[in-house]
Amino acid sequence: AQSVTQPDIHITVSEGASLELRCNYSYGATPYLFWYVQSPGQGLQLLLKYFSGDTLVQGIKGFEAEFKRSQSSFNLRKPSVHWSDAAEYFCAVGITGGGNKLTFGTGTQLKVEL
Amino acid sequence: DAGVIQSPRHEVTEMGQEVTLRCKPISGHNSLFWYRQTMMRGLELLIYFNNNVPIDDSGMPEDRFSAKMPNASFSTLKIQPSEPRDSAVYFCASSLGQLNTGELFFGEGSRLTVL
Repeated sequence: AQSVTQPDIHITVSEGASLELRCNYSYGATPYLFWYVQSPGQGLQLLLKYFSGDTLVQGIKGFEAEFKRSQSSFNLRKPSVHWSDAAEYFCAVGITGGGNKLTFGTGTQLKVEL
Repeated sequence: DAGVIQSPRHEVTEMGQEVTLRCKPISGHNSLFWYRQTMMRGLELLIYFNNNVPIDDSGMPEDRFSAKMPNASFSTLKIQPSEPRDSAVYFCASSLGQLNTGELFFGEGSRLTVL
């Protein structure tokens, strides 16, 4: 079965600093990979996704992520964090033939210091 | 367009009572998912439907939980009897059935507290 690991439970960065959130997956074939963001009291919203092709994918709100097969990773990055980026971020994996059934990581809570 | 609509947003009940959570997916979406979110276990997929048919209910914790989708615009998740360990936020999400979209649209969740 596929799984996702987000090793960082909490991360704090200063506004304007760069950000990298880590995600590692386990799956025997090429997975479909996603990053979602959850603001307090809200549901999850898709930031970006990787299916195939270019391993560097761009998303909304200035986020990007890079798929590295050799490291089984799909880390999320942003060059300059804004205070409004404070939220919880979830990495997720889907599999071929799995419909839209996704397995989510446990999330990383991002705090932004002004 | 209206997003996924869940009700109630908050529910406080006593142990042993029946709880029914409701979801209206986005019109035109043919897949519907129920997730449960807790601090301890994160986001867990409970069940998902495709074209109103339950496809995978392996995440349903036990027989106390049941879900139905009588038509394309409505689904329920029922817990009977409820227990304190069922306290969580329950999310409903919908999507188009093909993974080439890969996007789940989530409702705002139903926060359940069982005393």
